[in-house]
Amino acid sequence: EAQVTQNPRYLITVTGKKLTVTCSQNMNHEYMSWYRQDPGLGLRQIYYSMNVEVTDKGDVPEGYKVSRKEKRNFPLILESPSPNQTSLYFCASSTFTGTTTDTQYFGPGTRLTVL
Amino acid sequence: GQQLNQSPQSMFIQEGEDVSMNCTSSSIFNTWLWYKQEPGEGPVLLIALYKAGELTSNGRLTAQFGITRKDSFLNISASIPSDVGIYFCAGHLTGTASKLTFGTGTRLQVTL
Repeated sequence: EAQVTQNPRYLITVTGKKLTVTCSQNMNHEYMSWYRQDPGLGLRQIYYSMNVEVTDKGDVPEGYKVSRKEKRNFPLILESPSPNQTSLYFCASSTFTGTTTDTQYFGPGTRLTVL
Repeated sequence: GQQLNQSPQSMFIQEGEDVSMNCTSSSIFNTWLWYKQEPGEGPVLLIALYKAGELTSNGRLTAQFGITRKDSFLNISASIPSDVGIYFCAGHLTGTASKLTFGTGTRLQVTL
């Protein structure tokens, strides 16, 4: 089954404790992206990657890091989480022809709470 | 960053009613997409629009890409309880094929 998986689905942590949210897709997609969803703000892009070893900042990259060492995985790293990073996070993937992304498939989401 | 203005923010309607929501921007978009998000799930694509003026249907859903390329609407006809969810518009700004910008969402509630 074609899917995007995220782990963990729920996480409660404390300020400053490094964490990683994993994202994996089994569709051989070139393009992967991370979003955060906050009430009244919709989804805002954090980082995206157009292929292995190619990453770029989205609209709200501060406080986050990503890596793309393999095509299927795109982990989101919070080196020193703060309470304002409490949010619902989505990973997405799609094909990328070089001119446009195709339909983005979203993971189930990770609800993060930073105390 | 650029955000899309989506309205209304929320809607409470009765089963069988038609629904209309729209998205506007001050910038030109190359594509318009409409997603639905159900509780505990990620967004799922409903309709994709690629040309100004394009009108596309998917079952009871109809969406249009505005002529000015700065707006889009989504209509749902004869709503049913499973239409409940948050509907998001999204699009690619001109020159940003790799970046998808989302609207703020319309929360739809359907009563029996």
